[in-house]
Amino acid sequence: DADVTQTPRNRITKTGKRIMLECSQTKGHDRMYWYRQDPGLGLRLIYYSFDVKDINKGEISDGYSVSRQAQAKFSLSLESAIPNQTALYFCATSGTGVSNEQFFGPGTRLTVL
Amino acid sequence: SQQGEEDPQALSIQEGENATMNCSYKTSINNLQWYRQNSGRGLVHLILIRSNEREKHSGRLRVTLDTSKKSSSLLITASRAADTASYFCATDEDDYKLSFGAGTTVTVRA
Repeated sequence: DADVTQTPRNRITKTGKRIMLECSQTKGHDRMYWYRQDPGLGLRLIYYSFDVKDINKGEISDGYSVSRQAQAKFSLSLESAIPNQTALYFCATSGTGVSNEQFFGPGTRLTVL
Repeated sequence: SQQGEEDPQALSIQEGENATMNCSYKTSINNLQWYRQNSGRGLVHLILIRSNEREKHSGRLRVTLDTSKKSSSLLITASRAADTASYFCATDEDDYKLSFGAGTTVTVRA
């Protein structure tokens, strides 16, 4: 089984709808991250969490919110989706050692019409 | 804002040739990592080089780091069709967040 899973894998929604993307991990990591990827722009950090009670905004948090329900679960919400939030979304985790290698989920392709 | 910037944006090579891509960054770092992404999939960690290291090898991968020039290179030797992917550098500054570049897309022709 995959260490980092994301649901749904694909989602098409309409402008103004509330959407939740979910991420679960079995790696036992404290640190979790949400990124979005747009063509030609690489990955940009939306939110990150270093433990259940520590949640921080990334460089592009406007229009998004997150919830860390447990060590293993980190959800990303779009309260009112807009077309420019159409992107590929990735969840990632990392341990607390000196090497902060990140482990990525398979991604969620979100289309907002 | 993105810290790393890869060059070239795209690279096409023949199977068996070497592929070299570069990454430049702006601020001091703890380490620099390289990741691979197959089309539309999640990123996979390839190799990490610390700021006090100059060169590192892993299988057919060779990474160099020049902190004075704030640059790194990734060399893939004897490329294979399976190496076709996008490659990203990521820098770790001071709080264990990673900043990713826009990536180099490598196509290996049979």
